[in-house]
Amino acid sequence: DTEVTQTPKHLVMGMTNKKSLKCEQHMGHRAMYWYKQKAKKPPELMFVYSYEKLSINESVPSRFSPECPNSSLLNLHLHALQPEDSALYLCASSYSGGETQYFGPGTRLLVL
Amino acid sequence: EDQVTQSPEALRLQEGESSSLNCSYTVSGLRGLFWYRQDPGKGPEFLFTLYSAGEEKEKERLKATLTKKESFLHITAPKPEDSATYLCAVQEVDSSYKLIFGSGTRLLVRP
Repeated sequence: DTEVTQTPKHLVMGMTNKKSLKCEQHMGHRAMYWYKQKAKKPPELMFVYSYEKLSINESVPSRFSPECPNSSLLNLHLHALQPEDSALYLCASSYSGGETQYFGPGTRLLVL
Repeated sequence: EDQVTQSPEALRLQEGESSSLNCSYTVSGLRGLFWYRQDPGKGPEFLFTLYSAGEEKEKERLKATLTKKESFLHITAPKPEDSATYLCAVQEVDSSYKLIFGSGTRLLVRP
């Protein structure tokens, strides 16, 4: 089983709202990732958690706040987003660094 | 600068018409090369991982090959359901987590 699940599938939020994206995997993977993907572009790495610790932050604005409550869960807290933050947000996981990353179905976010 | 280039950007095939997609890369040291398939509005679906030159992997109508400078994704007798964007990504030896993605090839297979 190589399934990564993400909720919600779709999200519409105003610029003053606070919302969270959730990601879950039960493959025993120790690395989890958040990516942002704009239309007709490849995914862009945002954050990496390794063994539940933040390993990489690709200079993402502070209005995006990641959290890894345990080895199976990854959250992305959103606050005061801008319309240009509208995109497909993808979660991925891998057994460790250097291993194949498996992606979830994504959350389609629209910021009004 | 490290770079991954995919060609062509878009490809239209007739059902049954075999072809190849190209992914060329320039990195200081290759840890792995990954192929994904992505349908519109969905997450990338893993296809293959290749680690060393000369390696080949197959799955149904797809076959991926790797040389020291490029990878090919061969599609044999494609069907309309093979229509998707195919993404190539490279991971460097010095980077355990980062994938360098190409821009993708949009494949359309007509019945």
